Amino acid sequence: DAKTTQPTSMDCAEGRAANLPCNHSTISGNEYVYWYRQIHSQGPQYIIHGLKNNETNEMASLIITEDRKSSTLILPHATLRDTAVYYCIVRGVDGSARQLTFGSGTQLTVLP
Amino acid sequence: GAGVSQSPSNKVTEKGKDVELRCDPISGHTALYWYRQSLGQGLEFLIYFQGNSAPDKSGLPSDRFSAERTGGSVSTLTIQRTQQEDSAVYLCASSWAGAQPQHFGDGTRLSIL
Repeated sequence: DAKTTQPTSMDCAEGRAANLPCNHSTISGNEYVYWYRQIHSQGPQYIIHGLKNNETNEMASLIITEDRKSSTLILPHATLRDTAVYYCIVRGVDGSARQLTFGSGTQLTVLP
Repeated sequence: GAGVSQSPSNKVTEKGKDVELRCDPISGHTALYWYRQSLGQGLEFLIYFQGNSAPDKSGLPSDRFSAERTGGSVSTLTIQRTQQEDSAVYLCASSWAGAQPQHFGDGTRLSIL
């Protein structure tokens, strides 16, 4: 699976949009971009994934650049409960690398 | 509940004892994974079950670790003769199939004294 690069930490004011970037310049055509997060003392939580089109669900939006070398996770109205480590990973569509491997992720702190 | 359920949530035991950790996956999910996570560290893959196929045991750190999945649903991870280095959070995840998003339980925090 391609490697990803994320900022170590970010702050966001409560109620504002949180935009978390991820670089995956070596992504191949058959790899999805996945986002997970892990709140302290909890298991990782799946957020969203996409291949090349932008995606939106009840939790977040995922914007993937046209060349697919980077993406942005958007939490439209961040709350204190969104404070967590956010992980961006890429994964083959065939699931050949079945196990997940998280990098260091971005520690998002939502400030009151 | 609708999510992955793990029990117990916390387990403290003495070195040398055996422990069993349980995972109830989301109903209908055919794939089940076990990981462990040490304090401040990333995920370490342990084992993967997919339907009736032979499990992928490539991540098990030693022969003291074993897992089974009965009836394609509940799974049990067993650690025999526990050692202090086995102390970690043991996480279970399930998905519809191997390539689909994995949904995690909150883990079992295992402490070996």
